[in-house]
Parts: sequence; C-alpha cells; structure tokens
Amino acid sequence: DTGVSQDPRHKITKRGQNVTFRCDPISEHNRLYWYRQTLGQGPEFLTYFQNEAQLEKSRLLSDRFSAERPKGSFSTLEIQRTEQGDSAMYLCASSLGVPNSPLHFGNGTRLTVT
Amino acid sequence: GDSVTQMEGPVTLSEEAFLTINCTYTATGYPSLFWYVQYPGEGLQLLLKATKADDKGSNKGFEATYRKETTSFHLEKGSVQVSDSAVYFCALSVWAGGTSYGKLTFGQGTILTVHP
Repeated sequence: DTGVSQDPRHKITKRGQNVTFRCDPISEHNRLYWYRQTLGQGPEFLTYFQNEAQLEKSRLLSDRFSAERPKGSFSTLEIQRTEQGDSAMYLCASSLGVPNSPLHFGNGTRLTVT
Repeated sequence: GDSVTQMEGPVTLSEEAFLTINCTYTATGYPSLFWYVQYPGEGLQLLLKATKADDKGSNKGFEATYRKETTSFHLEKGSVQVSDSAVYFCALSVWAGGTSYGKLTFGQGTILTVHP
C-alpha cells in the first residue's frame, strides 16, 4: 500500500491559464474522490468516481472544471481559464467503495492563481 | 442539507491536559461520523469513526461517542502530547442507499497546539 499520490504538490499559474492535476489512488480501491480545501475551512466535496464512471458532481464544480478517470485507475482534474478564486488545495481520496470504508487522502495539490 | 459544526479554534493546551473538541451535526439521513486529523505537512488521516448511535470510536487515546439525542460527536483525550498538535476535522457521511455513500461533509477544522 503506497498510499494515494497526487501530482504536482504545488502549481502556480496565471489567471486564464488551464491546469491539470493527477491523482493515483491505492491500487485496489475502486472509488476515487476529489475535494477542495481553502484556508481555514474543511474540505468540500467536488466529485467522485466508481471505477471509470463519474457518479456525482457538486454544484461547486463549474463548467470550467472537468474530471476524468479513463481506465478506472488514475484520475485527472482539469481547470480551464483559471480564476483567482480557484486558488485552493485540491485533495484526492480513494476507498474500497463499501459502506463505512474509510477514505484515504493524498497530500493534495496546492494551486495558486496569480 | 447536511452540515457539521466544530468549536471555534485554535485550541492551545499544555502537555498532559484534557482535550475536548466539540462537534455537532445536522443530517437528512442516518449518518456515520468520523474524526480526521491533519498533521503538519501531511494528508488527512482517519482518526476514529462511529457508525451508529451510542457507538464509541477510539484510537491513539482519543475517543468520541455518537450521541443521536444531542446530534453530537465530541472528541476527547485524557492527556494530550506535543505530538498531537494538528488540525482536527469532524465529518459525516450519510447512507442514502445505492451508491451515494463515502461522500464526506466536513466541519471547518480545529487547530490544536500542545506546548511542553
């Protein structure tokens, strides 16, 4: 169990640019989640996948955000035309996908939009 | 909608002091309750959980009891250590049937600093 890994750890971009983050879940986990965390707040749910199917998206996920999990393994989160309000820590988590199975979180990608 | 409210922080204690971090919730269904901890520079880790009323979750000397009557899940530890300094998040997950579980709703977090 190597844990959930996220890449990059930090990303600084200029407003209007596109960015893409990657998440590699624990290999046997079929569920993958994306959360966003701003300073002084708890993580907020964005979306989740069961294998390659995206089953739910939060209203926080505007049209500029898109997430994929093409083969049911790693996932990418893309933000198009970034805005300063997108600056946050983006967290990925995975789980076995059975009731009450714990979520295992990665260390996150910190995005700064200048 | 579902929500979690944690006590305002930060909390500063001396080593060996008693710790309580309050957490209350509102939920549309019957939630499972969790405490997660985030140590400096690390990702969120599950500390403990409780899945039904009156259950007590415990780990590393921390305890929390699921109180349905008061909709609370307060975190306690009898004697804190410097190494317990971290951010603590209370969270819930509601079983809505089918596939809608595992989606966590978090509180805003409580920063704990323990001094020697």
